[in-house]
Amino acid sequence: DSGVTQTPKHLITATGQRVTLRCSPRSGDLSVYWYQQSLDQGLQFLIQYYNGEERAKGNILERFSAQQFPDLHSELNLSSLELGDSALYFCASSVGPGGTDTQYFGPGTRLTVL
Amino acid sequence: DAKTTQPTSMDCAEGRAANLPCNHSTISGNEYVYWYRQIHSQGPQYIIHGLKNNETNEMASLIITEDRKSSTLILPHATLRDTAVYYCIVRVANYGGSQGNLIFGKGTKLSVKP
Repeated sequence: DSGVTQTPKHLITATGQRVTLRCSPRSGDLSVYWYQQSLDQGLQFLIQYYNGEERAKGNILERFSAQQFPDLHSELNLSSLELGDSALYFCASSVGPGGTDTQYFGPGTRLTVL
Repeated sequence: DAKTTQPTSMDCAEGRAANLPCNHSTISGNEYVYWYRQIHSQGPQYIIHGLKNNETNEMASLIITEDRKSSTLILPHATLRDTAVYYCIVRVANYGGSQGNLIFGKGTKLSVKP
């Protein structure tokens, strides 16, 4: 158990819909990272927040957005969903903003878009 | 971040040492070598990291060559539960100044057999 929690574990929805994935970091960690893992793309970095502020952006679509709240939990919002958005979405957390801080991953949310 | 090269797959007999190689010939002096693993579709799990000295923890040992162009992750007594995809990642050690996301390659699928 990494100490990072993600809800829900599974999500099934239809194309065109909007969903919200939630992540609670380990106690004391200020950074939250979101990653997407699909069969053809592997693990891809989406976005990072540090202490409430966006820190870095990766291959995140404009239909996707995220935020980190004052209690440091984070939400990833996916809208206008397409079949290709079906994937595992992982959240990770670390103590600091980057560098050599070890990232600890949550168990993931499996999103299926029908 | 420097690129890494790993074998696609490896087999290991249960109870034997598993030695997973990684080439990172373009690594810079300020880049660390990190190892993560992913068991089935679980969240990636941190194993170990190092800069230039060999490192050991309760999970594994990391051997980095003197020129730092390659490294080997050693699982001393592999069990069936060690069957997973192992990722070798090179990461800039610029604490506070850089984004901290991990760049995952395809990794090595290790199969531990009875």
